[in-house]
Amino acid sequence: AQSVTQPDIHITVSEGASLELRCNYSYGATPYLFWYVQSPGQGLQLLLKYFSGDTLVQGIKGFEAEFKRSQSSFNLRKPSVHWSDAAEYFCAVVAPGSARQLTFGSGTQLTVLP
Amino acid sequence: DSGVTQTPKHLITATGQRVTLRCSPRSGDLSVYWYQQSLDQGLQFLIQYYNGEERAKGNILERFSAQQFPDLHSELNLSSLELGDSALYFCASSISGSGTDTQYFGPGTRLTVL
Repeated sequence: AQSVTQPDIHITVSEGASLELRCNYSYGATPYLFWYVQSPGQGLQLLLKYFSGDTLVQGIKGFEAEFKRSQSSFNLRKPSVHWSDAAEYFCAVVAPGSARQLTFGSGTQLTVLP
Repeated sequence: DSGVTQTPKHLITATGQRVTLRCSPRSGDLSVYWYQQSLDQGLQFLIQYYNGEERAKGNILERFSAQQFPDLHSELNLSSLELGDSALYFCASSISGSGTDTQYFGPGTRLTVL
């Protein structure tokens, strides 16, 4: 079945530490890939997206993501986390073909320790 | 601020009632999407409109309906409300409604059904 999976429900890191949030997808062809962030009481904000080309994508707020076709993954990374990065992070896909809507993973809640 | 506005921010109502959620897209965006975020189901796509016409349908219940008006604002109507309809309802907009568009999300309407 087509799906997008975020294996980590909750991750805790110390401020200044590096971060990697995992995302795996299961589609016949490579979907369009997105990472969104949701801060408490806020809507979702796009961090970055990947359609094709260079597999390392730079986004806003110092985030980057790497597409790995062989692993069907699109993991989000940040070299040094700030306390303001505490939020919920969603990986999302638009399925290949005629679909236009986002299908979201279940989200990863990030806690940042001082 | 994404430029997408949603009203009201909060809505408390009783089972069996009917409510209308309103969304104004970003200036210039022709497509509007509705998503539901609940603890049980996560973030789910409900329906998409493009320039007044329904473009795609997701897991939208028959008790729910939506429309997009000539001025491009959209309304989501929820009727015969049940406790399980309590959720955060997001509207998003994009320029053309294609799969590669960035979808910009509003702050959401939190619906509580008592």
